[in-house]
Amino acid sequence: GAVVSQHPSWVICKSGTSVKIECRSLDFQATTMFWYRQFPKQSLMLMATSNEGSKATYEQGVEKDKFLINHASLTLSTLTVTSAHPEDSSFYICSATLEDTQYFGPGTRLTVL
Amino acid sequence: DQQVKQNSPSLSVQEGRISILNCDYTNSMFDYFLWYKKYPAEGPTFLISISSIKDKNEDGRFTVFLNKSAKHLSLHIVPSQPGDSAVYFCAALFTGTASKLTFGTGTRLQVTL
Repeated sequence: GAVVSQHPSWVICKSGTSVKIECRSLDFQATTMFWYRQFPKQSLMLMATSNEGSKATYEQGVEKDKFLINHASLTLSTLTVTSAHPEDSSFYICSATLEDTQYFGPGTRLTVL
Repeated sequence: DQQVKQNSPSLSVQEGRISILNCDYTNSMFDYFLWYKKYPAEGPTFLISISSIKDKNEDGRFTVFLNKSAKHLSLHIVPSQPGDSAVYFCAALFTGTASKLTFGTGTRLQVTL
């Protein structure tokens, strides 16, 4: 089956720093990738839709300048959490579409101290 | 290693009948389970969840059953409606500090008239 990877799987950073999370489709090309955020025991929340070669589409309430998304190739999308703060600590997961099926990455747990 | 498995890639049910979607997991450390519904090119929508301390959770037409000894959960939809046609993902979660959301690959439900 299609595989989506994320790197890193977990990261701990200091408040005020920026963190970049990579999402890769390993064996297929994905023109669209999704970025989600999840707090423990809560629903997965769609943050943005990452479109290859164009600007990402952000969901309502998601700060574009805080969560920078770049989808520079058909196999890679990156999410950069800028000037991270403790409230940004969460579980971030990406997914990529192949033939109308969403394949999810394993997620990245971000902890901001 | 697929820790959460949805062995039926597709399911077709007549409107008004019961839809039963199954999910198996291999890791006994999972202690929280969720079902998501997803339409093509959209992010998944949270449906219902269940903690490992329970064996049943009901919300309207949706009921999730958990059999811990068999490491099996199922989602029942009754009565099924055409609008229920979508891809359904089950997902499992560790609720400890190393929590990680693991998804199944989905089952496409088609509710026919």
